Formats: sequence, C-alpha cells, structure tokens
Amino acid sequence: GEDVEQSLFLSVREGDSSVINCTYTDSSSTYLYWYKQEPGAGLQLLTYIFSNMDMKQDQRLTVLLNKKDKHLSLRIADTQTGDSAIYFCAESILGGGSYIPTFGRGTSLIVHP
Amino acid sequence: EPEVTQTPSHQVTQMGQEVILRCVPISNHLYFYWYRQILGQKVEFLVSFYNNEISEKSEIFDDQFSVERPDGSNFTLKIRSTKLEDSAMYFCASTMSGTRNTGELFFGEGSRLTVL
Repeated sequence: GEDVEQSLFLSVREGDSSVINCTYTDSSSTYLYWYKQEPGAGLQLLTYIFSNMDMKQDQRLTVLLNKKDKHLSLRIADTQTGDSAIYFCAESILGGGSYIPTFGRGTSLIVHP
Repeated sequence: EPEVTQTPSHQVTQMGQEVILRCVPISNHLYFYWYRQILGQKVEFLVSFYNNEISEKSEIFDDQFSVERPDGSNFTLKIRSTKLEDSAMYFCASTMSGTRNTGELFFGEGSRLTVL
C-alpha cells in the first residue's frame, strides 16, 4: 500500500532556506502535496504538484519531484519565523471516485532568529 | 472564508463509552473524510463519504466506527465502544468534487479524543 516517510524535525535560522524531504511508495500517485499545519489549526494545502511535473515554483516555495526515486522536496526560500509549523507530505490515489491523500507524520519546522 | 468546523475540540471519555465527533463541512462540498493522528504517528485515512454512503474506508475503520450525515450540514463519526488505542486527534475534511480538481482537502482543526 501507499506509504509516506519524512523526517520529524528541521531547525533553520531566519533568512536561510529550508528543505523538507519526503519519500513515497506508490508510483501511480497522481498528485503530491505539501500541507501546512500551524498551532491549533487544521492542515491547509500549501502547494501541490502533478505527477508528470518535475518542479513547481510558487513565490518562496519550490517543489521538486523525482519520480524515479519517489522523492519529493519542499524548499522555502528566505525562511521566516511565521513559517514555523508542521509540514505534511502527501500522495494521492483515486479511490471511490475521489482522491484520497496518504500523509506522512509531518516535519516540524523550527525557525530561530 | 468558509471553513470546516469540528466539535468538541477535546473530549475525555472512559474506555468502553460511545463517542460522537461532529463536523460541519464547507456547505457546497460533496465529499467528506475522517482522518486520525495518534500522537507522534502519521495522519491516517479512516473513511470517505459521498452521496450519503461510504465510498472508501481503511482497515482501521472497523465495526466500531460509523459515519453519518444526519442532516444537510453535519457529518459525524461515532466510535461505539472506545478503546485506549482510539486516543488520537481526529480530523474531518471536505472537498467539492471528486476528480475534477487537484484533490485538495479542506480540514477542520481537529477533535482530540482521550480515552482513559
């Protein structure tokens, strides 16, 4: 079945770039996602990439997808203290007529001054 | 901005008791989901629901669990006889369409269930 693995913690200095990595198992994944969870809030979609793409850039965010290695990464440029949150990697397959994301454990990003 | 709301935010219950977790999905959404996250573990899919019936469920979603959309707005998860291992954060989510979009789910803030 599907499985998503990511490291639990990442600590960076404000202004540096953050790179959060993720591996997944299902080669038939259609979409891959990064969700963000701030304290006391639910998961919120940050960005996504379609499986036939290698890279997607959205302002400070860059998503890289290596389908051969089943590796997904999220790079946050010029990381700010407001970026401190838990970041969840997810892959989705089609099930029951809708996409059902499979999530990892989440990476806690800690940004310090 | 429309959002998914969940109640209660935290519930403490005794082992063996029934628990109902409530969710109000975004009003024009058609697909509804429950996920859970045991502390320190992955966010796990439990069940998806469409057109008043379960469309997909995981191995976790056994006979102890049930879902219902009792009216036009609420979506509930019932755990019939809670076990210690049911202690987790339960997330409700919804989305407008099945496959015509990117599969983005809109999540509530979660209901923390503690079973003693």
